[in-house]
Amino acid sequence: AQSVTQLDSQVPVFEEAPVELRCNYSSSVSVYLFWYVQYPNQGLQLLLKYLSGSTLVESINGFEAEFNKSQTSFHLRKPSVHISDTAEYFCAVTKGGTYKYIFGTGTRLKVLA
Amino acid sequence: GAGVSQSPSNKVTEKGKDVELRCDPISGHTALYWYRQSLGQGLEFLIYFQGNSAPDKSGLPSDRFSAERTGGSVSTLTIQRTQQEDSAVYLCASSLGDGREQYFGPGTRLTVT
Repeated sequence: AQSVTQLDSQVPVFEEAPVELRCNYSSSVSVYLFWYVQYPNQGLQLLLKYLSGSTLVESINGFEAEFNKSQTSFHLRKPSVHISDTAEYFCAVTKGGTYKYIFGTGTRLKVLA
Repeated sequence: GAGVSQSPSNKVTEKGKDVELRCDPISGHTALYWYRQSLGQGLEFLIYFQGNSAPDKSGLPSDRFSAERTGGSVSTLTIQRTQQEDSAVYLCASSLGDGREQYFGPGTRLTVT
């Protein structure tokens, strides 16, 4: 069965510092990979996705993630975080073309002034 | 509407009562999903609807939980004889049905006292 592991439940980081949120998945077949962000008291919003093609994907607000097939990872990075990036981040995987998402348990990013 | 909407946003109910949670998906989205997010937990898949196909109910935790989708659009999640462990945020999402990305509503926070 597929699984998604987000190794860090909480990540505190100072403003303007870089951050990496880790995500590993287990699957032997082609997958689609997603990062969602959940701001306090809101639903989840898609941050970025990997379906195929370039292994490096970027979001409009400066986040990027790289699909690494050999390490089965899809870590999320940002070179310089803002206070407004404080949120919970969820990694998700689905087998290519299927509907059932498997979500990680989330990483709570807290950006400190 | 521009996005997925859910109502009510908050619901407090007494143990043993029945509750209904509503989801309005994005117009034109054929797939609809329900998830449960408990405190400190990830997202737990509950049920999936796709067009006129039989729903995938494999995630429903007990027979107290049921859901329907009328006319291929609005969905209602019903919890009968609520228990305290049912307290959670219930999230609805919709998609075009190809498994690529889901759009989430803001959720309904259910508190069972």
